[in-house]
Order: sequence, then structure tokens, then C-alpha cells
Amino acid sequence: AQSVTQLDSQVPVFEEAPVELRCNYSSSVSVYLFWYVQYPNQGLQLLLKYLSGSTLVESINGFEAEFNKSQTSFHLRKPSVHISDTAEYFCAVSRIQGAQKLVFGQGTRLTINP
Amino acid sequence: NAGVTQTPKFQVLKTGQSMTLQCAQDMNHNSMYWYRQDPGMGLRLIYYSASEGTTDKGEVPNGYNVSRLNKREFSLRLESAAPSQTSVYFCASSVRIAGGYNEQFFGPGTRLTVL
Repeated sequence: AQSVTQLDSQVPVFEEAPVELRCNYSSSVSVYLFWYVQYPNQGLQLLLKYLSGSTLVESINGFEAEFNKSQTSFHLRKPSVHISDTAEYFCAVSRIQGAQKLVFGQGTRLTINP
Repeated sequence: NAGVTQTPKFQVLKTGQSMTLQCAQDMNHNSMYWYRQDPGMGLRLIYYSASEGTTDKGEVPNGYNVSRLNKREFSLRLESAAPSQTSVYFCASSVRIAGGYNEQFFGPGTRLTVL
């Protein structure tokens, strides 16, 4: 079975400051890794994913995440946040082999203060 | 394309009442899912359907039933609602992407309150 732990339930930061949202996972088999974003009163949208290859993956709006196999982590970072980044962020994993259900972390609410 | 649509958006039930949450997708996806989202617990899978005609239990299936009516529609039924089922319910559908993983697309959610 897989499990995902997001270490911070809430992260408040000031606009234009850097941010890191932490995610650790546990799995006995190889997994794909994902970050989803949920803006207020909306469904989830895929932000970025790690499938294979380069361990650093980027999104179109300036977020990046690095897969660290030895530490079983997939932390999300952005060097300078905007008010529009206010949302809840979910880390998720799915098995590479077999039924590809997603297992989600608890979520991290990112609040940007002006 | 509307993507994944869910009805209703909001619902209030009394304990013991029944209701069905509807979900439809117009992306010709084979797989569909029902999740519930509760504060501090992320999204938990209730049921999923890998293809038309098949359904399987997820992490928290107790108190729910599902029907994969056709390729487009996947409904979730609460036969006798309980306050513990107060939650936001999300439907999703997925397509297999080059690279071998299933990308999931989510609906806007149904906010259900059981009094």
C-alpha cells in the first residue's frame, strides 16, 4: 500500500516570498508522483507530475518539485509567490504497475499575504 | 467540452434520507472515480470504475453504492445518509497518457450536509 504525508497543514507567506510545501511518501513499489492544486470552491487540477527521467519537474506557472528517491520526498517550491497562488495543494502517488488509483496526502493550505 | 460535470452542487439531507449524486464526462474516458474530501484528510477514494460495466471498492466504501450507467455516467448513492457522510464529493475520470499513467480530471464537487 502507498501513503502520503504532507508535513504542513497550513503555510502562510508574504507575496513575492519563496515557499516550500513538503511531501513525503511511503511505498513498497515504484510510484508516479503528482501535485494537484485546488483553488477556492473548485475541483482539483494537475499542477505537475514526475514519471521518470529528470528528478526536477516544473509547471507552467513557476512551481517546481524535486523527486528524491532516497528520502522518499517530492517537495514543491516556488521562488516568488503571488496572491493568485492562494489555494490548497495536494501531493499524490499512484502505482506504476497495476490499477492506477491515486493516494492523496492531507493537503496544505497556502495563504499569501500582501 | 464540459469535462466532468456533477449535480447537484449543494445538498442538505436529514439523517436516514437517500440521494444519488450524478456525474458525467464527455471526454470518452474509460475510468471514473468517486472521492470524498474532508478537512485534514485529503481526498479518499470511495469507489472507482476501471471501465464500463465494472466497479470496485476504494478506501472508504461503507454506506455508499455506485452505478456505472454507461461510459459517460457514474453515479454515487447514499441509501441512508448519516452525519458522518457530510463532506465534499468529487467525481473524476481518467485517460491513459503516453508514459503509461492515468491522468485524472476532476469535477467541481458536490457539497453535502447531513443533519
